Amino acid sequence: DTGVSQDPRHKITKRGQNVTFRCDPISEHNRLYWYRQTLGQGPEFLTYFQNEAQLEKSRLLSDRFSAERPKGSFSTLEIQRTEQGDSAMYLCASSFWTGDYSNQPQHFGDGTRLSIL
Amino acid sequence: GENVEQHPSTLSVQEGDSAVIKCTYSDSASNYFPWYKQELGKRPQLIIDIRSNVGEKKDQRIAVTLNKTAKHFSLHITETQPEDSAVYFCAASIQGRGYALNFGKGTSLLVTP
Repeated sequence: DTGVSQDPRHKITKRGQNVTFRCDPISEHNRLYWYRQTLGQGPEFLTYFQNEAQLEKSRLLSDRFSAERPKGSFSTLEIQRTEQGDSAMYLCASSFWTGDYSNQPQHFGDGTRLSIL
Repeated sequence: GENVEQHPSTLSVQEGDSAVIKCTYSDSASNYFPWYKQELGKRPQLIIDIRSNVGEKKDQRIAVTLNKTAKHFSLHITETQPEDSAVYFCAASIQGRGYALNFGKGTSLLVTP
């Protein structure tokens, strides 16, 4: 197992275009999280899934953003009609939740760096 | 929502000295507090974490302390080495919100030989 993987590593697109990122979590992890990180800031939570169910969405996740995890394995994050302010590193993390108080830590991928021209 | 403040934003120490980074959180329901190290252009990596039922945890040169009453927690690195140079992030999370992490803004640590 090589950990959390994200694709692509870099994405450059013109303003107004749609983009989609993919995250493959660690295989046995049932929780998957998306964060956004801008230069000089800490990651900001966007949304998370438990298996295929999307259980929480941040107010940062505007209507132009949509995330899916159709089979409870990989996830995609789509941004429609991209804007300059969407330029950031999009990080994915996964963890294993046993259903009790003791959660397992989140492990991050290398991220997808999005640049809007 | 949860607000996590982190200080200092930059920290420079000499090799062998100790480094301390402090964080405060606003939501008393927060019950899990990890620390991540992020080197330039790399993914955040967990270095230590602590839960709200524990006051202190240590792992070799790294220790974390938690004061639930004051709602603050700190990272202590002893005998610093140049390879400890990186950006360190604290985070707070709540079991009831799926442990979604609320991060501080980070501390850039520089260890000079």
